[in-house]
Amino acid sequence: DVKVTQSSRYLVKRTGEKVFLECVQDMDHENMFWYRQDPGLGLRLIYFSYDVKMKEKGDIPEGYSVSREKKERFSLILESASTNQTSMYLCASSLFKGQLTWEDISQPQHFGDGTRLSIL
Amino acid sequence: RKEVEQDPGPFNVPEGATVAFNCTYSNSASQSFFWYRQDCRKEPKLLMSVYSSGNEDGRFTAQLNRASQYISLLIRDSKLSDSATYLCVVNDYKLSFGAGTTVTVRA
Repeated sequence: DVKVTQSSRYLVKRTGEKVFLECVQDMDHENMFWYRQDPGLGLRLIYFSYDVKMKEKGDIPEGYSVSREKKERFSLILESASTNQTSMYLCASSLFKGQLTWEDISQPQHFGDGTRLSIL
Repeated sequence: RKEVEQDPGPFNVPEGATVAFNCTYSNSASQSFFWYRQDCRKEPKLLMSVYSSGNEDGRFTAQLNRASQYISLLIRDSKLSDSATYLCVVNDYKLSFGAGTTVTVRA
């Protein structure tokens, strides 16, 4: 069974701090994703990665960066946390078939438990 | 206009009832569709994939109407354990998530 582990369930930080959210998956998946989920807005894609050291911007990358130094680990970084980044953050992984086709995108995404981040 | 829109509900139904709800999408080129289920304070999990006109899995039926650009989810013989938020997800070379429809099944 796929296991996606996020480092913290709850996190409280202060405005201006640099915040690191860590995500590890144990199924050798190529694809990894970071989303934030806010009431009434659904999940919004921040960044994703299809391979080690590869990253692509999602729909709302502003104020965030990511790091994928190892296949199993995908880190989300809030460079200078702001109150509007208070949210639930979800990491996901999925299998990559080898070609970037709609079938690859259709692979089920396996989510971590989420990190509820509060910026004061 | 949002890429994926859902009625947020909540849909409150008694056990054994049938409940159905829709999801509309804006990109007519979207290739495939999914329903994910998310329990309170839990992560989303894939419930069903919808590739052609529809798909049935036990008590759950998903239908796709490409002409009107919507998909629907129908739950028959509702169980208490069906209480959750159902997320509509559309694949147009990236996954776009709806905000979810909340279903509450009461005894």
